[in-house]
Amino acid sequence: DSGVTQTPKHLITATGQRVTLRCSPRSGDLSVYWYQQSLDQGLQFLIQYYNGEERAKGNILERFSAQQFPDLHSELNLSSLELGDSALYFCASSVGGGSTSYEQYFGPGTRLTVT
Amino acid sequence: GNSVTQMEGPVTLSEEAFLTINCTYTATGYPSLFWYVQYPGEGLQLLLKATKADDKGSNKGFEATYRKETTSFHLEKGSVQVSDSAVYFCALSPSGGSYIPTFGRGTSLIVHP
Repeated sequence: DSGVTQTPKHLITATGQRVTLRCSPRSGDLSVYWYQQSLDQGLQFLIQYYNGEERAKGNILERFSAQQFPDLHSELNLSSLELGDSALYFCASSVGGGSTSYEQYFGPGTRLTVT
Repeated sequence: GNSVTQMEGPVTLSEEAFLTINCTYTATGYPSLFWYVQYPGEGLQLLLKATKADDKGSNKGFEATYRKETTSFHLEKGSVQVSDSAVYFCALSPSGGSYIPTFGRGTSLIVHP
């Protein structure tokens, strides 16, 4: 158990809909990272928040947004969903956000299926 | 930009065989390097890490040495077990500028009894 929790575990929704994925980092961790894992694209970094502020942005679509709240939990919002958004979405946390050696602790993931 | 290249899988071995999974990287400066493992149906777990050149990371019988001259971080294990069957990801964390972590595509390892 990494200490990172993600809800829900599974999500099935239709194209055009909007969903919210939730992540609670390990106790004491200030950084939250979001990743998308699909068979054809591998593990893609989406976005990072550090202590409530956006720190880095990766391959995140404009239809996707995220935020980190004062209690450090984070939400990833996916809107106007398309079939291609079906994937595993992982959240990870780390104690810091700007140093090279901070390892990340991953949650169990949310499997999103868009039909 | 930064990149990580791993050997394509799946790698199929018999129990007690020697394992090598190759990983090379492209990055400026001195990134930290990591190996993560993902068991079926689970998230990634940190396996080992190295933060500077010539450092050796080790855990659970797995080892990898940070080779700056060849920009490599190959994962090795002397004797694999069926329970080592998983997907292994090589990753780097940059030393400055962009904070974006970079992962390889992952290498699937299948160990037969």
